Amino acid sequence: GAVVSQHPSWVICKSGTSVKIECRSLDFQATTMFWYRQFPKQSLMLMATSNEGSKATYEQGVEKDKFLINHASLTLSTLTVTSAHPEDSSFYICSAFTGPWSNQPQHFGDGTRLSIL
Amino acid sequence: AQKITQTQPGMFVQEKEAVTLDCTYDTSDPSYGLFWYKQPSSGEMIFLIYQGSYDQQNATEGRYSLNFQKARKSANLVISASQLGDSAMYFCAMREKMDSSYKLIFGSGTRLLVRP
Repeated sequence: GAVVSQHPSWVICKSGTSVKIECRSLDFQATTMFWYRQFPKQSLMLMATSNEGSKATYEQGVEKDKFLINHASLTLSTLTVTSAHPEDSSFYICSAFTGPWSNQPQHFGDGTRLSIL
Repeated sequence: AQKITQTQPGMFVQEKEAVTLDCTYDTSDPSYGLFWYKQPSSGEMIFLIYQGSYDQQNATEGRYSLNFQKARKSANLVISASQLGDSAMYFCAMREKMDSSYKLIFGSGTRLLVRP
């Protein structure tokens, strides 16, 4: 079945570091990819929607300059957390949608646990 | 306004019994999809079941069934014959078209604990 690969699965780094997270669709072309953030014991909050070849659409309250999203190909989207600080520590999870509208489930990566010291 | 509401933060069920997890939604779009996902402690999101807004029959997938009441805007998940491995967080989600793109929005989740 369809698989979304997310890498890395765990990152620990110092404050001020920029961290890049990759999300790949392995056996399908993802015209749209989504990035979510999840704090402990909370739900998934949509951060942004990225469409291949165009700029990402960010949800209200999400800083575009802090969370850079690139969707350069139909199989790869990246999220870069720039100059990360402890408050950016969270679980980030990507998701891919083949589009157009279908009854197929949105496929999720296994997530990235980001810890900023 | 809350798009997806899950009113049960936590639920207990005895092993081998059935359990219903509640979900209500709010949308003015006639075309939408409803999903249930399971998230174990390891964090991955596991797709369980899907219901389309135009589907006439309730969706079923093995031990999972969705009690879809369109007029009430509810999409409750029923898990039959609960197993210990069913202990996890369960999220209801709705996919609708917003601002020319489709988005999947999640409810707050229900933590299910299956007792032996």
